[in-house]
Amino acid sequence: SAVISQKPSRDICQRGTSLTIQCQVDSQVTMMFWYRQQPGQSLTLIATANQGSEATYESGFVIDKFPISRPNLTFSTLTVSNMSPEDSSIYLCSATGVGNQPQHFGDGTRLSIL
Amino acid sequence: GENVEQHPSTLSVQEGDSAVIKCTYSDSASNYFPWYKQELGKGPQLIIDIRSNVGEKKDQRIAVTLNKTAKHFSLHITETQPEDSAVYFCAARSRDDKIIFGKGTRLHILP
Repeated sequence: SAVISQKPSRDICQRGTSLTIQCQVDSQVTMMFWYRQQPGQSLTLIATANQGSEATYESGFVIDKFPISRPNLTFSTLTVSNMSPEDSSIYLCSATGVGNQPQHFGDGTRLSIL
Repeated sequence: GENVEQHPSTLSVQEGDSAVIKCTYSDSASNYFPWYKQELGKGPQLIIDIRSNVGEKKDQRIAVTLNKTAKHFSLHITETQPEDSAVYFCAARSRDDKIIFGKGTRLHILP
């Protein structure tokens, strides 16, 4: 199965700043996704990262707040913009391999906003 | 859209006993049902999955059953061990290929 690496693994940020999270997959994948997991909660899909085009956002998430890039098949970034304490969460990257493979996850980025 | 309900939210079982987690889904078009295990500080790890053309699948101590008519599926862990303690999530792939998660079950294996 694909190995998914995220950077940074954790960060503490100041209110009003932005942070970009990187996701790298070690093999070609078809679809990449970004999720948010608030403490003790389930996973909520933020958006599907589309290669070479704008991401597809779920209800409640907008591009201005969570810009996403996917310049190639194996790399994507998520930016959390103008952060507030409510953005404190775990952000997870996931990917589906070629040939209808299962969806796998990285270990997440633990973000705290002061 | 798809909605996945999961029960119980917390489950404690004696080491060596079996654990069962149950989920229901709402969209009859969903055709793929993965289960994930999440340990502290880690991302969700796929432990078993089942497709809608199969009623049951087993992998060593873990089994999953699917009832398409009733739209529910279950995870069974036999001979539980301390390392089985974790949060387990069921999920369903919706008709637009998105994975929708249940709220999770925190499983405690008691010594």
